Amino acid sequence: GQSLEQPSEVTAVEGAIVQINCTYQTSGFYGLSWYQQHDGGAPTFLSYNALDGLEETGRFSSFLSRSDSYGYLLLQELQMKDSASYFCAVRLRDNYGQNFVFGPGTRLSVLP
Amino acid sequence: EAGVAQSPRYKIIEKRQSVAFWCNPISGHATLYWYQQILGQGPKLLIQFQNNGVVDDSQLPKDRFSAERLKGVDSTLKIQPAKLEDSAVYLCASSSRQGNSYEQYFGPGTRLTVT
Repeated sequence: GQSLEQPSEVTAVEGAIVQINCTYQTSGFYGLSWYQQHDGGAPTFLSYNALDGLEETGRFSSFLSRSDSYGYLLLQELQMKDSASYFCAVRLRDNYGQNFVFGPGTRLSVLP
Repeated sequence: EAGVAQSPRYKIIEKRQSVAFWCNPISGHATLYWYQQILGQGPKLLIQFQNNGVVDDSQLPKDRFSAERLKGVDSTLKIQPAKLEDSAVYLCASSSRQGNSYEQYFGPGTRLTVT
């Protein structure tokens, strides 16, 4: 089976830095994605890591350690609009139809 | 470019009734996914199409759910008969092999309530 774990909730204040962790146990692994979903909205893509290390995109960074089956999403200079749920997703297959399994999600609340 | 379109946005039915959802992916995207998202959980893949062929339907409850993607473009997901536990948001997503092919583009979803 496939298993992904994330903290259920994280709270931080505006301007702070927050890290959302994701650990996984899956039958296959070709990469780790992160998605943001606001209440009532659609998930939107944030990042994808196939190799170990840190990927930076503006205020958001994503890290992967394949040997530890672990990754995290780092959000800097938090803004109120970052309040949302964040999902990690493991890419299971390396073929034309990339298949992803999603984690349970972490609800981030940003306080003023 | 236009995003993934889904309809209807909301649907309320009684248990044992049938319902159908429609999805039109981003033009040119060969891969289409249907996910079920229960409140407070992550999206769960129901079925994945590559053009008009099924790549993965291992988590689709085939006794009551069916899906098709005729002509490799838009797709329909059907539930017949519905159960209370089918209450969820049904998300359609599409992806392309070109560029960042690991990015899935999600539609706004259909919120289904079964009473």
